Amino acid sequence: DVKVTQSSRYLVKRTGEKVFLECVQDMDHENMFWYRQDPGLGLRLIYFSYDVKMKEKGDIPEGYSVSREKKERFSLILESASTNQTSMYLCASTGVRDNSPLHFGNGTRLTVT
Amino acid sequence: GQNIDQPTEMTATEGAIVQINCTYQTSGFNGLFWYQQHAGEAPTFLSYNVLDGLEEKGRFSSFLSRSKGYSYLLLKELQMKDSASYLCAVKKTDSWGKFQFGAGTQVVVTP
Repeated sequence: DVKVTQSSRYLVKRTGEKVFLECVQDMDHENMFWYRQDPGLGLRLIYFSYDVKMKEKGDIPEGYSVSREKKERFSLILESASTNQTSMYLCASTGVRDNSPLHFGNGTRLTVT
Repeated sequence: GQNIDQPTEMTATEGAIVQINCTYQTSGFNGLFWYQQHAGEAPTFLSYNVLDGLEEKGRFSSFLSRSKGYSYLLLKELQMKDSASYLCAVKKTDSWGKFQFGAGTQVVVTP
């Protein structure tokens, strides 16, 4: 079974802090993604990566950056956290086949005060 | 651009059938996925359609019409544990596996 592990389930940070959200997958998937999920807005793509050291902006990349130094690990970085970044963050991975679904981590609920 | 629309909420009785519709507009369609998400948990994969027609998996079935940009998820013999949000997601051809999600349909199953 595919396992996607996010390092923290809950995080509370202060405005202006630098925040790191870590994600590791164990299925050798090429593609990894960071989404945020907010009530009424659904899942919105922040960044994705299709290979080591490769990254592409999603629909809402502003205020975020990412790092993929190893195939299994994809990190989301909030350079200077703001209150509007309070959200549920979901990491996901998928293989290259067309019918490969996304496999999600359990999510990190981030609160910025 | 890409729009995915699904109803916000549906309520049904235990043992009944519920059909969740999803309409989409996209360029470069490469498959439609349905996910189930219980409150406070991650989405889990339910079904995949890329060709027109019905795919059945136990109590759950999913249908796709590519010409109409339309899919539905059918939940039969509803159980209380089926109370969850159901997410429709479209995969594009040019996107290295990138998915676009609808906002989700909250299904409430009542006794």
